[in-house]
Amino acid sequence: SQTIHQWPATLVQPVGSPLSLECTVEGTSNPNLYWYRQAAGRGLQLLFYSVGIGQISSEVPQNLSASRPQDRQFILSSKKLLLSDSGFYLCAWSVVLSYEQYFGPGTRLTVT
Amino acid sequence: AQSVAQPEDQVNVAEGNPLTVKCTYSVSGNPYLFWYVQYPNRGLQFLLKYITGDNLVKGSYGFEAEFNKSQTSFHLKKPSALVSDSALYFCAVREGTGNFNKFYFGSGTKLNVKP
Repeated sequence: SQTIHQWPATLVQPVGSPLSLECTVEGTSNPNLYWYRQAAGRGLQLLFYSVGIGQISSEVPQNLSASRPQDRQFILSSKKLLLSDSGFYLCAWSVVLSYEQYFGPGTRLTVT
Repeated sequence: AQSVAQPEDQVNVAEGNPLTVKCTYSVSGNPYLFWYVQYPNRGLQFLLKYITGDNLVKGSYGFEAEFNKSQTSFHLKKPSALVSDSALYFCAVREGTGNFNKFYFGSGTKLNVKP
């Protein structure tokens, strides 16, 4: 069966520090991968998506970047965090023909 | 572009009563619609989907959803609510282009089931 992992689960970082969040998927090949941010426990904002290794599309201009160095690994990064980067970050995957999207457990990021 | 709207920020219902969480959609072409549930500090869990076929879709944990094309709605329902159903519910629509699925989510509805 397929599983998706995210780490760390929680993170507290000072303003101006770098960020690296990791997401890995097991049990599937060539998934579509996604990063979302959820602010204030509500709506999801799609940040990045990827259809393959090294292929990243950005939905909104911001202080973050994403990379996909391996088929089932998706990394969210920042060189310098802002207070507004605080939120709950969710990684998700989907396979085109199945239509469904599956989410990881999330990372709670607090920028102080 | 595809979109979904959840007009209720919060729904309150007593345990044992039926519940409805509303969702309306706007799509070009055939709609692919989904419901997800999120418990505090957790990822979203898939509940059910409508792709084609019967307008009444059955999903996990006793939930079902009714697709209504004329009203462009996809409301989530359950005949008898449980306290454990209290959570945040998201409606979503899929836009598929080529080898890529893109999902648009509603703003979420908080369901409170009181004992």
